[in-house]
Amino acid sequence: QVQLVQSGSELKKPGASVKVSCKASGYTFTTYGINWVRQAPGEGLEWMGWINTNTGNPAYAQGFTGRFVFSLDTSVSTAYMQISSLKAEDTAIYYCASGGVSATTIGVYWGQGTVVTVSS
Amino acid sequence: DIQMTQSPSTLSASVGDRVTITCRASQSISTWLAWYQQKPGKAPNLLIYKASSLESGVPSRFSGSGSGTEFTLTISSLQPDDFATYYCQQYSSNLYTFGQGTKLEIK
Repeated sequence: QVQLVQSGSELKKPGASVKVSCKASGYTFTTYGINWVRQAPGEGLEWMGWINTNTGNPAYAQGFTGRFVFSLDTSVSTAYMQISSLKAEDTAIYYCASGGVSATTIGVYWGQGTVVTVSS
Repeated sequence: DIQMTQSPSTLSASVGDRVTITCRASQSISTWLAWYQQKPGKAPNLLIYKASSLESGVPSRFSGSGSGTEFTLTISSLQPDDFATYYCQQYSSNLYTFGQGTKLEIK
């Protein structure tokens, strides 16, 4: 069955970097792009952008440029989301999502979420 | 950017009720709209895509309608498992945007 398994929770200090992984299984990795979604504590969902798993080309939503980088390692069917120069307001749950019958949805398959906490 | 506005923000209802959640787009998005359900501590779950197509495995009490700028998600007869937060999501010009969410609470 299709699964997206994300890396574990992270506690980082302001100014540090974090890299979250999203390992796909149960389907051909290059079939679907990988989307990233942020959910701050008690808040709604924000689409951060996506990465094309065929070309490796990322696209970032407004507000997620500069410090955010999406990448791939297709040899291990894994996508990565890195945040540099972390700020307290980056504290959130980060989800990867993929797949489904329509490319106009973020995905039917979701990772379990990775909690990133930024605190001194 | 296209803005999505959901109403109401919170909805109190009882098991067996019929409920409707509305999502309005700031400009026309044809039928490029999806609905998700999210329960506390869990990832979102896709319910509806292309405004009215039911995702595989989703109970038929969920339905979606609309086109252009106004869309609705209807739950025909609320079940205890349906109390959750619901989000609409639009797709336009290779960009996605979520609504702010509607929390469905037990009355």
